[in-house]
Amino acid sequence: QVQLVQSGAEVKKPGASVKVSCKASGYTFTNIVMHWVRQAPGQRLEWMGWINAGNGNTKYSQKFQGRVTNTRDTSASTAYMELSSLRSEDTAVYYCASLYWRVWGQGTTVTVSS
Amino acid sequence: DIQMTQSPSSLSASVGDRVTITCQASQDISNYLNWYQQKPGKAPKLLIYDASNLETGVPSRFSGSGSGTDFTFTISSLQPEDIATYYCLQFDYVPPTFGQGTRLEIK
Repeated sequence: QVQLVQSGAEVKKPGASVKVSCKASGYTFTNIVMHWVRQAPGQRLEWMGWINAGNGNTKYSQKFQGRVTNTRDTSASTAYMELSSLRSEDTAVYYCASLYWRVWGQGTTVTVSS
Repeated sequence: DIQMTQSPSSLSASVGDRVTITCQASQDISNYLNWYQQKPGKAPKLLIYDASNLETGVPSRFSGSGSGTDFTFTISSLQPEDIATYYCLQFDYVPPTFGQGTRLEIK
């Protein structure tokens, strides 16, 4: 069936980077856009950016521009989101979502703490 | 950015009640709006797409309506398993934006 499986929880120190993966199965990976969304504790869902899995084009939220990089490996049907210069406010659950916002990964908890 | 104002922020209702949640967009978004259910520790689950279309496999007690700037999500007869937080999402404009969520509790 169609699903997105994300990598496991991460604990990082301030100033570090984190890279979260999202493996797609059950559909043609290169036909779609993969979104990345985060949810900080007690906050609403927040869009970070997307990648066109076919041509690799990206679009980022202005809030994260310069700190976030979306990439993909078409041979592995996997998308990646890398966030750099981490600070405590980046502690959140990070989700990938695809197929016109129909399918979501299970979420990856990223904790930033010294 | 398009602001999505969702109300109420929390709601307490009894099993069998009719429950209504609204989302108002700061600009016309046509029908580019989805509704999601999120349970604790889980990813959002799509219930309604394009404002009024029921996602496959979702019980028919869930429904959505509206277009332009004003949207409504309804549970016709609340069930215990419907306890969750509900979000709207507009995807007409970049960046896509979410409502602040409605936390639904059983009275």
